[in-house]
Amino acid sequence: DGGITQSPKYLFRKEGQNVTLSCEQNLNHDAMYWYRQDPGQGLRLIYYSQIVNDFQKGDIAEGYSVSREKKESFPLTVTSAQKNPTAFYLCASSSGTGGKNIQYFGAGTRLSVL
Amino acid sequence: ILNVEQSPQSLHVQEGDSTNFTCSFPSSNFYALHWYRWETAKSPEALFVMTLNGDEKKKGRISATLNTKEGYSYLYIKGSQPEDSATYLCASNSGNTGKLIFGQGTTLQVKP
Repeated sequence: DGGITQSPKYLFRKEGQNVTLSCEQNLNHDAMYWYRQDPGQGLRLIYYSQIVNDFQKGDIAEGYSVSREKKESFPLTVTSAQKNPTAFYLCASSSGTGGKNIQYFGAGTRLSVL
Repeated sequence: ILNVEQSPQSLHVQEGDSTNFTCSFPSSNFYALHWYRWETAKSPEALFVMTLNGDEKKKGRISATLNTKEGYSYLYIKGSQPEDSATYLCASNSGNTGKLIFGQGTTLQVKP
């Protein structure tokens, strides 16, 4: 089945720990995105990548890092510098980088702090 | 940063009712408006992407209109069914990029 796979579904982070959320797509899409959802708020863009080995900061990139070494993979690391990491994280991809391109989403990872 | 607003925040209707919700966005530098449906425990799925003023799109019982001059879009559901229960997200961008700004969503509950 073609789609976007996020893992794990649930993740717990200890104080001072870095954790990495996985996002893999087999849609052969060029662009990939990471969003964060907090209660009562819209999805907010953390990072996006339009092509392999390139990525740009979104609106709330502080405390996060990404890499795009392969077309199909766009992992997100939540670093210890992110003081409020508890949230629901969604990964998405689109076939092109233009504004009309539909984004396809994964099922999300819920991150909590222990 | 664009500010995209959706109203109402939540809506409860009876099966068979028709309903509509609003998405408002800054009209300056508008490029595209996206609607997504997000069912509980599933991934958001695209409904429509609209770009032209006056555009109207339809998918089954769901339709959407776009007014880029005044900065709003309406989503209509005719004869709501329980399976329409979901959160409906709209998102806009101000340039030809994938950088979408999402509204906070409208959560629809359809009672049988």
